[in-house]
Amino acid sequence: DAGVTQSPTHLIKTRGQQVTLRCSPKSGHDTVSWYQQALGQGPQFIFQYYEEEERQRGNFPDRFSGHQFPNYSSELNVNALLLGDSALYLCASSLNAGLTEAFFGQGTRLTVV
Amino acid sequence: GEDVEQSLFLSVREGDSSVINCTYTDSSSTYLYWYKQEPGAGLQLLTYIFSNMDMKQDQRLTVLLNKKDKHLSLRIADTQTGDSAIYFCAEKRPQTGANNLFFGTGTRLTVIP
Repeated sequence: DAGVTQSPTHLIKTRGQQVTLRCSPKSGHDTVSWYQQALGQGPQFIFQYYEEEERQRGNFPDRFSGHQFPNYSSELNVNALLLGDSALYLCASSLNAGLTEAFFGQGTRLTVV
Repeated sequence: GEDVEQSLFLSVREGDSSVINCTYTDSSSTYLYWYKQEPGAGLQLLTYIFSNMDMKQDQRLTVLLNKKDKHLSLRIADTQTGDSAIYFCAEKRPQTGANNLFFGTGTRLTVIP
């Protein structure tokens, strides 16, 4: 039973570029949430996707967008990258938009130079 | 306050018990969580407690919940070097209507052999 998988594991981008991060939820899960974890901080909620729609959004600008596919996998897109976007991006999967058991992937480490 | 608060560091000797403390914010929080993060890795769900419980035990882990003081603790019995990691507590805040987790800044546990 595969857990939550994210790709790529590491990424280096230049300021102003765009990036796409990918997440496949745990088998049987249908909800994907994205979090940003800056160095030395706890994860901060970006948004949640359920039934292919964005259901909840944290305090992040419109440069952060996402998508969920019919197979429940999800993408996080960030446009016009800033140095401050450098962080570990974590994907969490759960069932029915619930949070009773939210499982996290290993994350994608994004470095913006 | 608005932040989930945790002490930043804890150091214990191998074989001793560790107690990691957390103060959360929403008195109506239904679930409270403990996650473990090892270096360079994602978050591992250790345990969670429902708000109608005072205590939950799972092998070496004991979670205590004091709703009056909004205080959550995680006790690790017989701490091992493999327990060295950052531990995050997290809450869901029903009063906000948000369906996401709010994390503390994490407690770095160092186990001395």
